[in-house]
Amino acid sequence: ELKVEQNPLFLSMQEGKNYTIYCNYSTTSDRLYWYRQDPGKSLESLFVLLSNGAVKQEGRLMASLDTKARLSTLHITAAVHDLSATYFCAVDGKTSGSRLTFGEGTQLTVNP
Amino acid sequence: SAVISQKPSRDICQRGTSLTIQCQVDSQVTMMFWYRQQPGQSLTLIATANQGSEATYESGFVIDKFPISRPNLTFSTLTVSNMSPEDSSIYLCSASTSGAYEQYFGPGTRLTVT
Repeated sequence: ELKVEQNPLFLSMQEGKNYTIYCNYSTTSDRLYWYRQDPGKSLESLFVLLSNGAVKQEGRLMASLDTKARLSTLHITAAVHDLSATYFCAVDGKTSGSRLTFGEGTQLTVNP
Repeated sequence: SAVISQKPSRDICQRGTSLTIQCQVDSQVTMMFWYRQQPGQSLTLIATANQGSEATYESGFVIDKFPISRPNLTFSTLTVSNMSPEDSSIYLCSASTSGAYEQYFGPGTRLTVT
């Protein structure tokens, strides 16, 4: 059974600071996704990582994938209040056929 | 990209009744899925909606409780049957296309069972 673990689950940080969210998964994966969810809203796709060593950046967010370590990171640079949200990683295992297994989510609060 | 709509967006239902949620995609997609997000929790896959055949359910979910239809490549329904307060959740539809990597999510249906 594929398991996906995120840490931390709760993150409170000050504006301007950097931090990293970690996503570990238990079995071989085809794809790794990062989503953002604002309160009361659906999921917004941030990144899809397809191969070992993949790195993608959008604004203050950068995601990377290490398939050998079964680890993905979401790095936040110089955080701003607008980044406050819950961030989920999700994994599409090699035998999952696009069925996603989600991590628990990281609730990020950026304080002025 | 695919744009997904869901109806209703929210509902309050009485215990023992059933609710059918509709999911419409603006383009033909290969895969459609239904997820549940309980309050303050992550997403859990309920089932894969297969076009023209019975849905494939994940462990812990059964057809009698969550019957699913998918009559074509753009539309699916999920029924939550004989509801109890434990069914209070957000139900999300998602879709992806074979050969594409993105998986898009609908806005969700917020269900409260009293």
